[in-house]
Amino acid sequence: DIQMTQSPSVLSASVGDRVTLNCKASQNINKYLNWYQQKLGEAPKLLIYNTNNLQTGIPSRFSGSGSGTDYTLTISSLQPEDVATYFCFQHNSWLTFGSGTKLEIK
Amino acid sequence: EVQLQESGPGLVKPSQSLSLTCSVTGYSITSNYWGWIRKFPGNKMEWMGYISYSGSTSYNPSLKSRISITRDTSKNQFFLQLNSVTTEDTATYYCARWGLRRGFDYWGQGVMVTVSS
Repeated sequence: DIQMTQSPSVLSASVGDRVTLNCKASQNINKYLNWYQQKLGEAPKLLIYNTNNLQTGIPSRFSGSGSGTDYTLTISSLQPEDVATYFCFQHNSWLTFGSGTKLEIK
Repeated sequence: EVQLQESGPGLVKPSQSLSLTCSVTGYSITSNYWGWIRKFPGNKMEWMGYISYSGSTSYNPSLKSRISITRDTSKNQFFLQLNSVTTEDTATYYCARWGLRRGFDYWGQGVMVTVSS
C-alpha cells in the first residue's frame, strides 16, 4: 500500500493569510493526487484532482501543485468559510487517503 | 446535480453483517464507477471497494473475504454488505461516484455505524 502523510495535522491561520497544506506519498504517485474539503457533518467535496486541476465550481483561491511524492494545497487568501478538514487521496496505485489537516481560523 | 445518500442501521452486533444502501439521484449508476469508503474514529480513511457501470466489482484486498457490493439499476441504488463485523468496523461509511480520470468526485454525507453488543 502507498502511505499518505499529511502535515500539519492542525493549522491555525488568520483570515487573508496564504495557507499551505502538505501531503507526502511513500512512493511516486505520478500526480494522481486529489484534495478534498470536509466540513463538519457534510459530504467531502472534491477541490483539486490530479495535482493541479480545479474542480468545477471551486473558488480560484484554491490551487494544487507537486510531483513525485510531494504535493501541496494552497489557499491564497484564507476565508472564514474555509474552516474544514482537508485530506489528500492518491489513485495511482490502488486507492489510499491521507489522515487530514484540520484548518482553523486564528 | 449528482446526489448520493447512504442509509442503513446505525448499530450492528459483532459477528453479524453490516448492510448499507446508497441511493443516487441525478445520474445513472449504469455509467461510471461507484464506491464505498469508510472513516474510522481518529480520521483514518479506507477505500473499501467499487462497482462498475457494468456490474463488475473490485475490493480492497484487506476486506476481500468479507465484502460484497451489488446494485439495483431499476432503483438506481448500490449496496454494501460487510460480513462478520467486529468493533474495528465501527466507522462512518460513505458512498461516492468515481469521476472519469479524476477520482471520487461526488460523495454522500455518510452514515455512522457502530458495532457493539
